[in-house]
Formats: sequence, C-alpha cells, structure tokens
Amino acid sequence: EAGVTQFPSHSVIEKGQTVTLRCDPISGHDNLYWYRRVMGKEIKFLLHFVKESKQDESGMPNNRFLAERTGGTYSTLKVQPAELEDSGVYFCASSQLQMNTEAFFGQGTRLTVV
Amino acid sequence: AQSVTQLGSHVSVSEGALVLLRCNYSSSVPPYLFWYVQYPNQGLQLLLKYTTGATLVKGINGFEAEFKKSETSFHLTKPSAHMSDAAEYFCAVSDFSGGYQKVTFGIGTKLQVIP
Repeated sequence: EAGVTQFPSHSVIEKGQTVTLRCDPISGHDNLYWYRRVMGKEIKFLLHFVKESKQDESGMPNNRFLAERTGGTYSTLKVQPAELEDSGVYFCASSQLQMNTEAFFGQGTRLTVV
Repeated sequence: AQSVTQLGSHVSVSEGALVLLRCNYSSSVPPYLFWYVQYPNQGLQLLLKYTTGATLVKGINGFEAEFKKSETSFHLTKPSAHMSDAAEYFCAVSDFSGGYQKVTFGIGTKLQVIP
C-alpha cells in the first residue's frame, strides 16, 4: 500500500513567486493534515481537513497560504507570494476517520525561498 | 494547551552505548505520547506511542519509552546504539479532544552515533 506522497520533494523559488505543494494521502484516509518545520524550530500544525472540509486552520501563518482539498482526495498548499520566512519543510499526514487512529506522515517538501 | 520539551538538540553516543533521549510534556488532558524518527532524506516515521494501559511501551528497532505521569516525562531509550540509529528524533503529544489527532512536536534531537 502506498504511503503519503508529497510533491515536489524540493522547491527553490524566488521571493514573490508562487509555489504549490501537493499531498496525496493514503487511500481511504479522510483526515489530512499539513505541518511545517521552519529551520531550527518545532514542527508545527498548519491545518486539518476532513474529506474536502477544513476543520481547523488555526495554524495557518497568514493569508498568503491557501490550502485546498477538492473532492476529498489530494490536497494542495499554495503560497502566494512567497516570502523568505516561508522556507522550511512542509509535511503532510493522513489518518482514518475513526478516533485514536495513527497519522502517517509523508517525506515532506523542502521549500527554499531566496 | 499542550507543549513538549526535548532536552538536548544534539546527543552523541558511542556505538553499543545506551541511548537516552529526554522528553517532558505538558497537557491539560490525558495525553497521547509519541516518538517519531526522521532518517536522512526520509519522512517522519512513528517509532512508538503511548495511549493508555502499560506505561512502558516498546517500539521498532529496539527502542522503548516509559510514560511517567508524576514526572510528566516520556524518555526514549535503547540499550545499545547502532550506527543506523543516527537520525533526528521527535517527541510529540496529542489529544483527540477535537475528534482528530492534532500533534504538538518537540524541537527534535539529532542523535549521532560514534563508531
């Protein structure tokens, strides 16, 4: 069974450009989460989807970040326009809807804004 | 609110020596506790977890951790370090009060194993 897949694995963009990160969760996982690790800091929660609905986006840094999950399958996280402080590793995770089930993490996308 | 403190952002041990990675947590509800590991160029992998029941939990690759409520600790140990254990380790806490798993991570500890 395929795990959580993230694309691209690395992205280097210039300040002011737009970048879209993609996450394909494990098939059948209705919960989907985005996390981010800025260099030297903790991995922090960004938001949570149940199917296509955003349940909790309390961790989104600002309105330059837009997450979508059309159709309740894969999700995208767009950063527009990117700033230097957006650099970091973005992790996606997914889990089944049942309570207390483990979340599985992807490899992460390393974003560098120059 | 939940928080996790990992003592030591870098830990070095000799091959064959005891590995001890320290983690203290704060949680307003009974916590679910986790250790994740990230090997170079790989994603986060669950090493072990405590939910309820037995306070000593065993994970993959010979690691174990003990939940000590009185000390609010969940330290990770392995009796004998192997070169392949070199990685970054994250302690984490979560609750399911919102009906889903929202994880709060520690800052991570990089483990170096010296031959």
